[in-house]
Amino acid sequence: AQSVTQLGSHVSVSEGALVLLRCNYSSSVPPYLFWYVQYPNQGLQLLLKYTTGATLVKGINGFEAEFKKSETSFHLTKPSAHMSDAAEYFCAVSGTTSGTYKYIFGTGTRLKVLA
Amino acid sequence: KAGVTQTPRYLIKTRGQQVTLSCSPISGHRSVSWYQQTPGQGLQFLFEYFSETQRNKGNFPGRFSGRQFSNSRSEMNVSTLELGDSALYLCASSPGTGNTEAFFGQGTRLTVV
Repeated sequence: AQSVTQLGSHVSVSEGALVLLRCNYSSSVPPYLFWYVQYPNQGLQLLLKYTTGATLVKGINGFEAEFKKSETSFHLTKPSAHMSDAAEYFCAVSGTTSGTYKYIFGTGTRLKVLA
Repeated sequence: KAGVTQTPRYLIKTRGQQVTLSCSPISGHRSVSWYQQTPGQGLQFLFEYFSETQRNKGNFPGRFSGRQFSNSRSEMNVSTLELGDSALYLCASSPGTGNTEAFFGQGTRLTVV
């Protein structure tokens, strides 16, 4: 069975400050991990993904995440927050069964950026 | 390359009615997945179709059903609507093989009154 835990349903940071959104996963098989962002009344946009290989993954808009197997974590970071980063962020896990696109999502973290 | 298209964007239905939502995936993609998003339950997997066959199914009652056509377009149907079915329904498109991510549409906002 797979699951995802996102710590902190709401996170506030000042513009220019570090963004850190936490995600821990549980998976009985090697996981594929994703971060998606959702703006109001919109669908989900992929920020980055980890499948295999390099554990530090760089995504769009300056975001990156590091896969740490020993900690079962995949935290999302951005060195300097921008007002446009205000949105809801979802961490997701799926199994490595080829072609299975059943994502298990975390409950989401709403990021607020303060001027 | 066109993205994932969901229609309609907004829908208001009455309890007891049924509704059909449509999703056109990215050209060449053969897998379509459906998710329900609510404030209380978050994002929950409904089902996935690949080459016109249901390949995976979530834990939803039989009132929720879907199908996929030969052109990969998919529809989901909810019968005997309940107030709790009010949600944003998201469709995700992917090639269906290999280790690639899913691309989401903008969703259909269903309100049941």
